[in-house]
Amino acid sequence: GAGVSQSPSNKVTEKGKDVELRCDPISGHTALYWYRQSLGQGLEFLIYFQGNSAPDKSGLPSDRFSAERTGGSVSTLTIQRTQQEDSAVYLCASSLGAGAWDLEQYFGPGTRLTVT
Amino acid sequence: AQSVTQLDSQVPVFEEAPVELRCNYSSSVSVYLFWYVQYPNQGLQLLLKYLSGSTLVESINGFEAEFNKSQTSFHLRKPSVHISDTAEYFCAVIQETTSYDKVIFGPGTSLSVIP
Repeated sequence: GAGVSQSPSNKVTEKGKDVELRCDPISGHTALYWYRQSLGQGLEFLIYFQGNSAPDKSGLPSDRFSAERTGGSVSTLTIQRTQQEDSAVYLCASSLGAGAWDLEQYFGPGTRLTVT
Repeated sequence: AQSVTQLDSQVPVFEEAPVELRCNYSSSVSVYLFWYVQYPNQGLQLLLKYLSGSTLVESINGFEAEFNKSQTSFHLRKPSVHISDTAEYFCAVIQETTSYDKVIFGPGTSLSVIP
């Protein structure tokens, strides 16, 4: 597609359930990022992929959060045993590369996660 | 470590008035700066960026930002705002790490244009 897509757009889940959020980056973009945006908060970095590897997982809030990327393309963010504090908009972005001159990030529309 | 400060969390301004959204960053050897905008119910998109060269950069919709090294600032300005400029604005800076160049976002400034 022409832009970054994310699915689902909205997800309501019960506390304790697992959820999977999907991101399709722009074709050819080697770098992929996950962020979390809570109500009234800025962007919280979660994880960065270069190709299929994740050199920076420093933003993952707990071991309930994990992410993977396959084929240098699609990425899945998994949250296990969801808690109410996980409620937020989860944003995915991709960029052509990871050097400063390739670092314009293209963002998807986000997945709004609500944990009840 | 790099950090980005946006002192104003909310900025209300009347239509056709000028506006300045402030951004300050911690110093670094190399500085690359960005402004992203998030319109209501839309994803973030790049507004403008400074990588090198002229310290004054402009966007296609009338915004401009000036890199000021001595004041470690990258304030965003527009001489006359429109209702359609209502959005959340994020300043970002690159943090050079050992493995890659990481983009650090500020907390955002919510611009509300009042008719």
